[in-house]
Amino acid sequence: SQTIHQWPATLVQPVGSPLSLECTVEGTSNPNLYWYRQAAGRGLQLLFYSVGIGQISSEVPQNLSASRPQDRQFILSSKKLLLSDSGFYLCAWSRQNYEKLFFGSGTQLSVL
Amino acid sequence: DAKTTQPPSMDCAEGRAANLPCNHSTISGNEYVYWYRQIHSQGPQYIIHGLKNNETNEMASLIITEDRKSSTLILPHATLRDTAVYYCIARYNQGGKLIFGQGTELSVKP
Repeated sequence: SQTIHQWPATLVQPVGSPLSLECTVEGTSNPNLYWYRQAAGRGLQLLFYSVGIGQISSEVPQNLSASRPQDRQFILSSKKLLLSDSGFYLCAWSRQNYEKLFFGSGTQLSVL
Repeated sequence: DAKTTQPPSMDCAEGRAANLPCNHSTISGNEYVYWYRQIHSQGPQYIIHGLKNNETNEMASLIITEDRKSSTLILPHATLRDTAVYYCIARYNQGGKLIFGQGTELSVKP
């Protein structure tokens, strides 16, 4: 069966510090991968999605970047965090051209 | 992808059916209707999806109107654990991105 791992579960970082969140998927190959963010009390915002290694699509201009160094690994990064980067970050995967998204358990990021 | 409109919140008594409406008046002929739910501080969970016909699975039923401009998600016997935000999404079934709206916050009360 397929599983998605996302870590850490919570993270507190000072403004201006770097960020690296990692997500890995097991039990499938060539998945679509996604990063979403949810600000407090608001809906889910799609940040990045990837249909293959090295292929990243950015949905909104921001202080973040994403990379996919391996087929089942998706990384969300920032060189310098802003207060506005605080939120609940979710990684998700789906099969190529398939309908269901499967989400990780999320990372609660607080930038102070 | 077509825009969907949902009420921001609803209440339901435990054990009763919860009927969550969704309007998608601009949906195109090959866009599917998807439902996900998000329990607080967790990732969203897929519930059900459909194109034209009504669908049922172990979690819920999906009723789509004949003109496909609206749909209803039915939780037949709501429990306290069904308290969550429910998202209705219209999308092409060709992979790619899934765009979430604000959803309906369902509160199931004893």
